[in-house]
Amino acid sequence: RKEVEQDPGPFNVPEGATVAFNCTYSNSASQSFFWYRQDCRKEPKLLMSVYSSGNEDGRFTAQLNRASQYISLLIRDSKLSDSATYLCALSAGNTPLVFGKGTRLSVIA
Amino acid sequence: GAGVSQSPSNKVTEKGKDVELRCDPISGHTALYWYRQSLGQGLEFLIYFQGNSAPDKSGLPSDRFSAERTGGSVSTLTIQRTQQEDSAVYLCASRGRQGPRVVTEAFFGQGTRLTVV
Repeated sequence: RKEVEQDPGPFNVPEGATVAFNCTYSNSASQSFFWYRQDCRKEPKLLMSVYSSGNEDGRFTAQLNRASQYISLLIRDSKLSDSATYLCALSAGNTPLVFGKGTRLSVIA
Repeated sequence: GAGVSQSPSNKVTEKGKDVELRCDPISGHTALYWYRQSLGQGLEFLIYFQGNSAPDKSGLPSDRFSAERTGGSVSTLTIQRTQQEDSAVYLCASRGRQGPRVVTEAFFGQGTRLTVV
């Protein structure tokens, strides 16, 4: 099993749709979880951290399921500007921050 | 500076030449990472520096790749005898620390786009 796995997509959704991404991980000792957004030919930028109890930031909701070892990102009311690649990242203590390969989202008018 | 700075932003080199890529992390960040990203691909971990600990070099693809971090700040990634398959964007990231654990998110530089011709 790969350390971090994501569905590569692409996910093509209409404006206003709700879309969800999952990211599974193999290291049960993982402690820090993040979702990053990467626009074409740009560096990744933090979208949100993922907390044990789940957290929300506007239209974005992140959840962690330790038992099943996955994190999720839910985007409500998709905007054209949400089109990007979404990468999950995680680390265990002082181990390297490992990234998934990313899920590409295209929001269509 | 306010963010992670990388130089050069673009580098074109001939096959067989050596290249050096530089990363200036955010001041005070103890953790520094190098990643490689080929076109349309994910982030490939290369090497990780954490404080004064020995670096985690487990991601370096061959012995042509090496990196150092001087004084716990600036890092240089060196690729010797470059090959065409080394062409990629090389991204540096740094993370802050709270207590004994590295807990903050990673901040990325804008990357160095390396093209080996």
